Order: sequence, then structure tokens, then C-alpha cells
Amino acid sequence: QKEVEQNSGPLSVPEGAIASLNCTYSDRGSQSFFWYRQYSGKSPELIMFIYSNGDKEDGRFTAQLNKASQYVSLLIRDSQPSDSATYLCAVTTGKLIFGQGTTLQVKP
Amino acid sequence: ETGVTQSPTHLIKTRGQQVTLRCSSQSGHNTVSWYQQALGQGPQFIFQYYREEENGRGNFPPRFSGLQFPNYSSELNVNALELDDSALYLCASSLAIGAGELFFGEGSRLTVL
Repeated sequence: QKEVEQNSGPLSVPEGAIASLNCTYSDRGSQSFFWYRQYSGKSPELIMFIYSNGDKEDGRFTAQLNKASQYVSLLIRDSQPSDSATYLCAVTTGKLIFGQGTTLQVKP
Repeated sequence: ETGVTQSPTHLIKTRGQQVTLRCSSQSGHNTVSWYQQALGQGPQFIFQYYREEENGRGNFPPRFSGLQFPNYSSELNVNALELDDSALYLCASSLAIGAGELFFGEGSRLTVL
């Protein structure tokens, strides 16, 4: 079982829609959870982090965490073509472990 | 403030050769992590360095080794290169061990023929 699992996609949504990206993790001791965005040919950049159960909102982005279900999600509201990228879920267990990423395509 | 820089950006090697990749961490960051990212995959943790000591290692063989210098810059060395070592190698710096907020360099693209 992989430590962090994501559906590789691609996930295709129309411009203006809500994109929902999901992630599960295996280590119940994981403390902190992160979403990175990686544009094609570029390096990852941090967009959100969440430590506690529940929702955390930052602009158009909402991160959701459910530790009992070992589940993390990222919602992107009013999706824009510029949001088209690979979204990497990452979990800290003394080191930062990434999932394989979900490719999001936002169509104009 | 200087970001994370890596060199070289691209390189081609043949099987069995050795390679050294270099990384300068962001100003004020004392921890450096190295990741391998194969095409279409997420970054795979290789190891992390703090105060010139390896602190945590992923599932990579001993032919992957590293160094961290007193100025917090770092090197990744790979011996006896194999075709599967072809990947993007990412260096990331952070303020602390195990931190989730990493600042990545642009990577070194290694091709092994």
C-alpha cells in the first residue's frame, strides 16, 4: 500500500466549476497535510496546508481533513484555465511524502 | 532573498557512470531534502540533511549518497547509474527537519543512456 494515494486523473472541469481533488494516506501518525501545485516542466509550489480536522479556506481554495478516515481533499472554486496543473498531496511523517499527483484540466 | 538553486539543469550520462548534483538552499534554511521525480509520478523522497548529517532516508539504495556543507548547500551523488535513474532530481530547503513547507529548486534533469 502506498503511503499517500491519489487518483492520477486527468480530472477535467469546465471553467467556473468546482474541482475536487482527493487523497488518502496510510500512516495514522501523520501530523500535517499539504497540497502542492506543479505546472508542467516546473517544480512544486505549496498552495495549502492543514493540521486539524475540518475545513480551511484560502481564497478559492479549501482544504478538508478527516483524520478518522485518513482522507484529505482540496476544493478549487471558480476554476480557471490557469489552475490547470498537477496537484500533489503530501503528508509529514518526519519527512514529507508525496502522492503521485492528480492532473487537473480546466477547459475554457 | 535568494531562492533554491540547482545545477546542472540538464545532463546526460551513460550506464555505470557517476553523477553529482548540486543545490544551494534558500537563505536562512538549514535543512535540505532531495527527491527523485520520474515522468508522470510524484516526487519520491531520497534523503534529508540537517546540520551536515543525514536525517531520514527513503527507499533508495546506498549508491545514492549526499552531503551537506556548513553553508547548508548540498550535493547528491549517484554511483553506478542505471537506466531507471533517469528522472528529475529536486532539491528543497526548509526551516526545520520534517517541515512540510518546502521550497524547491527548478531541478536537475538526468538522462541515463
